[in-house]
Amino acid sequence: QKEVEQNSGPLSVPEGAIASLNCTYSDRGSQSFFWYRQYSGKSPELIMSIYSNGDKEDGRFTAQLNKASQYVSLLIRDSQPSDSATYLCAVKTGANSKLTFGKGITLSVRP
Amino acid sequence: GAGVSQSPSNKVTEKGKDVELRCDPISGHTALYWYRQRLGQGLEFLIYFQGNSAPDKSGLPSDRFSAERTGESVSTLTIQRTQQEDSAVYLCASSLFGGSNEKLFFGSGTQLSVL
Repeated sequence: QKEVEQNSGPLSVPEGAIASLNCTYSDRGSQSFFWYRQYSGKSPELIMSIYSNGDKEDGRFTAQLNKASQYVSLLIRDSQPSDSATYLCAVKTGANSKLTFGKGITLSVRP
Repeated sequence: GAGVSQSPSNKVTEKGKDVELRCDPISGHTALYWYRQRLGQGLEFLIYFQGNSAPDKSGLPSDRFSAERTGESVSTLTIQRTQQEDSAVYLCASSLFGGSNEKLFFGSGTQLSVL
């Protein structure tokens, strides 16, 4: 079992819709959870982080964490064509540890 | 510098040659990470430095790969006897202390092509 799994994708949604991106992780000791966005040919950039169960909202983005189910998700409301990118889920087990990435989900927002 | 700097940005080499990739992290950042990203794939962890030591080098794929960091700044990733499967973008990232909640700042990467 891979440490961080992102199995769905690619995902295509119309402009203005809600995009839902999902991620599961295997290490129950994981403490920190991140979503990075990577445009084609560019480096990843952090868009959301979440550390405790529940929802965390930042503008059009909402991260959701359920540690019991080992599940983290990212919702993008009012999707825009500029949101078209690959979204990488990343998990850290603690301080002084590596950040483990999933393989990413490619999102395409149709105008 | 203002951000994480990697050089060269592109490297084309022949199979069997050795290559060195350089990463200059953000000044003051003690944590440094190397990742590999093959075309269309996610980020594959290679090695993590805290200061000049490497507490986690579990991602290095073979003994052809090595990395060092000196002066708690610049890091060099060396690939010996390159193979075609080594072709990928090699990304370096740094963070302030390596804390569990810290954001990683990525460089622009080195695109390595092994012919």
